[in-house]
Amino acid sequence: GESVGLHLPTLSVQEGDNSIINCAYSNSASDYFIWYKQESGKGPQFIIDIRSNMDKRQGQRVTVLLNKTVKHLSLQIAATQPGDSAVYFCAEKAAGNKLTFGGGTRVLVKP
Amino acid sequence: DVKVTQSSRYLVKRTGEKVFLECVQDMDHENMFWYRQDPGLGLRLIYFSYDVKMKEKGDIPEGYSVSREKKERFSLILESASTNQTSMYLCASSLVQGADTEAFFGQGTRLTVV
Repeated sequence: GESVGLHLPTLSVQEGDNSIINCAYSNSASDYFIWYKQESGKGPQFIIDIRSNMDKRQGQRVTVLLNKTVKHLSLQIAATQPGDSAVYFCAEKAAGNKLTFGGGTRVLVKP
Repeated sequence: DVKVTQSSRYLVKRTGEKVFLECVQDMDHENMFWYRQDPGLGLRLIYFSYDVKMKEKGDIPEGYSVSREKKERFSLILESASTNQTSMYLCASSLVQGADTEAFFGQGTRLTVV
């Protein structure tokens, strides 16, 4: 059944500081990973992806790090801005099409 | 730009009603997905489809069915709505089976069952 009232982990960060959001994934066979950002009232939006043959990938102000040994994924946001306030989800894909999502982390940017 | 459109932003239905949630994508994507999103539980996959008339169960298919008669449209059906199906429902699509590409999401339908 459903668990009602679960709270998202929340990361509070000062505007201008760097943010690090962590994600532990479950399937050692997963070979593709994505970070999504979800703003209030909207569907998740793609931020950055990484394949399992890489351990780091950089985008604009974002970096994803992959540690397959401990099945850990992180998203680093440089110089966090108010517009970065959102819920962030990691997703993993094993063989086939299915994306499995983590529970999400809420980022609150303080002015 | 890929557009995934869900027919309703908000729905209120009564217990026992049959509910249809509609989703349309405009980029000729092979794969379409229905997720539900609940606080702290992330997105959980209900059903997905990798081709017209093809469907596979996700992690929580009980109480739901789907229909994909046309490539661009994927419908989620709640045969007899119950209060524990009150949730945010998200539709997504992605390019082709097995490809490492992201899924594109609609804006979500917030369903309340009373």
